[in-house]
Amino acid sequence: QVQLVESGGGVVQPGRSLRLSCAASGFTFSNYAMHWVRQAPGKGLEWVTVISYDGNDKYYADSVKGRFTISRDNSKNTLYLQMNGLRVEDTAVFYCARDREKLVLGDAFDIWGQGTMVTVSS
Amino acid sequence: DIQMTQSPSSLSASVGDRVTITCRASQAINVWLVWYQQKPETAPRPLIYAASSLQSGVPSRFSGSGSGTDFTLTISSLQPEDFATYYCQQYNSYPYTFGQGTKLEIK
Repeated sequence: QVQLVESGGGVVQPGRSLRLSCAASGFTFSNYAMHWVRQAPGKGLEWVTVISYDGNDKYYADSVKGRFTISRDNSKNTLYLQMNGLRVEDTAVFYCARDREKLVLGDAFDIWGQGTMVTVSS
Repeated sequence: DIQMTQSPSSLSASVGDRVTITCRASQAINVWLVWYQQKPETAPRPLIYAASSLQSGVPSRFSGSGSGTDFTLTISSLQPEDFATYYCQQYNSYPYTFGQGTKLEIK
């Protein structure tokens, strides 16, 4: 069963750091580009970042550039999002998502995790 | 960045109705558009990719069309489980961007 499971969310003070994880199962993780997408409470969806299947290419939304870092460990079938300098406006559910096609960078998402909540508050 | 504009923002309809949601891109994106359905407290569910291709497992009452800048999602005969929020998203170029959403409510 193809599945993505996020973890690592929680409540953190402004300026602090948090690392999210996304554990993949049921498919060959190393063949797929992976994304993080977030959704603030009661708001729409915002794409955050992507990493290529081999980890060599990464892109970020301007809102997180320089603060967030995406990475992956293909030996552990796990995607990460290191979030530094968190702001109140980063409060959101964070989803990881998989590219639909393998061995490409730049496709629609076909599999999403259930999301993990990040709350930035003093 | 490519801006995606959906209309309407909300829509009331009845079971059995035919419904159309529109998404416009601020610049041409070929057919690189996906439609999602999202219900409260759940992750988005892909419905249509490449503007008109039905995602596996999605009922055939859902269809998509368009290319360039103008796209539509049509639900041919609304079912009770279709009441949700719908989003379009372009994947022509980074940063990927989403429409603001269309909330489909029961009349």
